[in-house]
Amino acid sequence: AQSVTQLDSQVPVFEEAPVELRCNYSSSVSVYLFWYVQYPNQGLQLLLKYLSGSTLVESINGFEAEFNKSQTSFHLRKPSVHISDTAEYFCAVSPPTSGTYKYIFGTGTRLKVLA
Amino acid sequence: GAGVSQSPSNKVTEKGKDVELRCDPISGHTALYWYRQSLGQGLEFLIYFQGNSAPDKSGLPSDRFSAERTGGSVSTLTIQRTQQEDSAVYLCASTRTGSSGANVLTFGAGSRLTVL
Repeated sequence: AQSVTQLDSQVPVFEEAPVELRCNYSSSVSVYLFWYVQYPNQGLQLLLKYLSGSTLVESINGFEAEFNKSQTSFHLRKPSVHISDTAEYFCAVSPPTSGTYKYIFGTGTRLKVLA
Repeated sequence: GAGVSQSPSNKVTEKGKDVELRCDPISGHTALYWYRQSLGQGLEFLIYFQGNSAPDKSGLPSDRFSAERTGGSVSTLTIQRTQQEDSAVYLCASTRTGSSGANVLTFGAGSRLTVL
């Protein structure tokens, strides 16, 4: 079975400051890792994913996440945040088999960017 | 359709009433999921449909909850005799299956249920 832990329920940060949203997972098998973002009053959308290969993955809007197998972590970072990054961020894992299901989500981290 | 469509977007009901929530997935997506999003609880898996296979209902919290998927497309989540603890946002997601690159969920905007 897999589980995902997002220790920070809320992270306030000033605009243009760096941010790190933490995600740790537990799994007896290798997994795929995802970050989803939910903007206010919208559904979740994929931010970035790690399937294989380079452990550092990037999104189009400046976020990046690094898969660390030894620490079972997939922390999300951005060097300089904008007001528009205010949203809730969910880390998720799924076992890498065709037809995977039961994507396991963390409890989410609410990022609030302050002016 | 272009995206996952859910209706109604908001539903207010009285305790004890039945409600139906609808999900129309992306055309061609064979897998469909229902999740429940409660404040501070993250996303709770409810049920999963894959093609013509028997659904995985292991996440349904009680026998008041049921779901069906007709013709491999539209899905309806039914909650009978609603309780106040059923108040949450119900999210539907769909995905193609068959290749690793397809393991990305596309979510609908959700149906917010409030039980008075």
